[in-house]
Amino acid sequence: GQQLNQSPQSMFIQEGEDVSMNCTSSSIFNTWLWYKQDPGEGPVLLIALYKAGELTSNGRLTAQFGITRKDSFLNISASIPSDVGIYFCAGRNSGNTPLVFGKGTRLSVIA
Amino acid sequence: DTAVSQTPKYLVTQMGNDKSIKCEQNLGHDTMYWYKQDSKKFLKIMFSYNNKELIINETVPNRFSPKSPDKAHLNLHINSLELGDSAVYFCASSQGPRGGELFFGEGSRLTVL
Repeated sequence: GQQLNQSPQSMFIQEGEDVSMNCTSSSIFNTWLWYKQDPGEGPVLLIALYKAGELTSNGRLTAQFGITRKDSFLNISASIPSDVGIYFCAGRNSGNTPLVFGKGTRLSVIA
Repeated sequence: DTAVSQTPKYLVTQMGNDKSIKCEQNLGHDTMYWYKQDSKKFLKIMFSYNNKELIINETVPNRFSPKSPDKAHLNLHINSLELGDSAVYFCASSQGPRGGELFFGEGSRLTVL
């Protein structure tokens, strides 16, 4: 089945630093999504990408759909304490296959 | 108004018991899902329903039985609970079975003792 490799597994950064995380798949995807999960909450959609090469921003967050359609990255600029949480990539190929999630990147921000 | 709501938020029960988790969405979506999140935070799809019809069943033990009385509700019933069933169960919904953008509930933490 489809697999997503998300890295890094965890990050500890200083407040104000930029963050980058990425996801790679073993097959071509036509949708990439990035979610954030706060403790005790459900994942919340941050950015959705539907075209190869697409670069989309949401405030301090920027995500790109890789040209090969097998990868995506998420950047967070000027991190703040409330950026703490688990970030998940998710993707799917065509048809009715289910959305597949990466194993998450746990972000800790040190003030 | 909560878009996707699940109840209960916490559930503690003994092995062998039967329990249910309920989910409702008010987004007007026609597809709903159940995901299981284990202790390592890995999210795995269990079921998907589109307009009350089961479209995805990802090799989940038949002790788990989803029921969708209408497209706004998807309940999960679990029989003969086992220790390994302890996890957080998330309900989600999307517009269309392609599941492009899923909206999740807050989760139901099930602890089996």
